[in-house]
Amino acid sequence: EPEVTQTPSHQVTQMGQEVILRCVPISNHLYFYWYRQILGQKVEFLVSFYNNEISEKSEIFDDQFSVERPDGSNFTLKIRSTKLEDSAMYFCASSDATLAGAGPDTQYFGPGTRLTVL
Amino acid sequence: AQSVTQLGSHVSVSEGALVLLRCNYSSSVPPYLFWYVQYPNQGLQLLLKYTSAATLVKGINGFEAEFKKSETSFHLTKPSAHMSDAAEYFCAVSEGGKLIFGQGTELSVKP
Repeated sequence: EPEVTQTPSHQVTQMGQEVILRCVPISNHLYFYWYRQILGQKVEFLVSFYNNEISEKSEIFDDQFSVERPDGSNFTLKIRSTKLEDSAMYFCASSDATLAGAGPDTQYFGPGTRLTVL
Repeated sequence: AQSVTQLGSHVSVSEGALVLLRCNYSSSVPPYLFWYVQYPNQGLQLLLKYTSAATLVKGINGFEAEFKKSETSFHLTKPSAHMSDAAEYFCAVSEGGKLIFGQGTELSVKP
């Protein structure tokens, strides 16, 4: 069964450093997402990506964050200068279009990358 | 903006007992609703989804949920809990393609 994969599973970095979190969505999916979950809190939407551009982003997704689909298979989240409060589990998700073509269908999630900023 | 509230951050049941996890949503339009499960050290796995077809939705692992518009609820049930059901469960509503999650309910199953 196809699945979303994410690397690395754990990332430890120093405050102020840049990190890149990588995701390989399900191969025929068209919509891509990043979410994060700070320990003990809700899963929060960060950004959605479709047709090679950001379709929506949350208030959390400020200028320190960027996403890219550098090739036909990877989808990355970059944090330019990490802060302590960026420590969280980051989930990538992907979805296909609905049969009616009216928008994204069910989202399938990867296992997450745990980011620890020291 | 839409929101989701899950009543009870922790629920404990005995093996074989009924599982009931509560979810209420607020939405100004007919919602798409989802339940996801997260096993320890794993990602979010889709259990079931409601997309305005049948109000009683059956999912994987014997779970089902009933959409009740009058109560703005989408509670998750399973008739008989199994030890392997111990996990965190998240209710979510779709808003313009993105998912808005509840705070999660951790289910413990006692032998």
